[in-house]
Amino acid sequence: RKEVEQDPGPFNVPEGATVAFNCTYSNSASQSFFWYRQDCRKEPKLLMSVYSSGNEDGRFTAQLNRASQYISLLIRDSKLSDSATYLCVVNRDDKIIFGKGTRLHILP
Amino acid sequence: DVKVTQSSRYLVKRTGEKVFLECVQDMDHENMFWYRQDPGLGLRLIYFSYDVKMKEKGDIPEGYSVSREKKERFSLILESASTNQTSMYLCASSLDRVVTDTQYFGPGTRLTVL
Repeated sequence: RKEVEQDPGPFNVPEGATVAFNCTYSNSASQSFFWYRQDCRKEPKLLMSVYSSGNEDGRFTAQLNRASQYISLLIRDSKLSDSATYLCVVNRDDKIIFGKGTRLHILP
Repeated sequence: DVKVTQSSRYLVKRTGEKVFLECVQDMDHENMFWYRQDPGLGLRLIYFSYDVKMKEKGDIPEGYSVSREKKERFSLILESASTNQTSMYLCASSLDRVVTDTQYFGPGTRLTVL
């Protein structure tokens, strides 16, 4: 089993809709979690950290479920500019593991 | 604002050539990383460094070496480039050696080996 797994998509979602995707991790000792966003032909950039209590930043909500070992990202009222690949990142000790990403296409 | 720069956006080399990819960060970050990114394989860590003159192998170090002579600069070296090293190479840095730290990426170098 891969240490970090994401549905590669693509998720094709109409503008204004709500979309959610998950990322599962296999090592229960994982310590910190992030969502990064990567636009086509660009570098990844931090979108948000994922805290145990969950956190929200505008239209974006990230949650952590330690019992089931997954993190989630919810995007409300999706915009065309949300089209990107979303990378899940899991840190354990000194090891940083990137998921392969979920591609999201917002359709006009 | 953190800035990570890479020496070239696009590079074309021939098989067997020695290739240097340079990365510079301007925020006095302790940690620097080299990744390659390929379709379907995601980001894979090649080497990283937590301090000057220090280096650690990542998941796929074979065929690569690195150099960190100064804190702000981390170089990736392909001693003898091969076609399977055609890829997007991304450099990243982070402030401190803690697992909660954000990684800041450079714009990437798309290397083609003919």
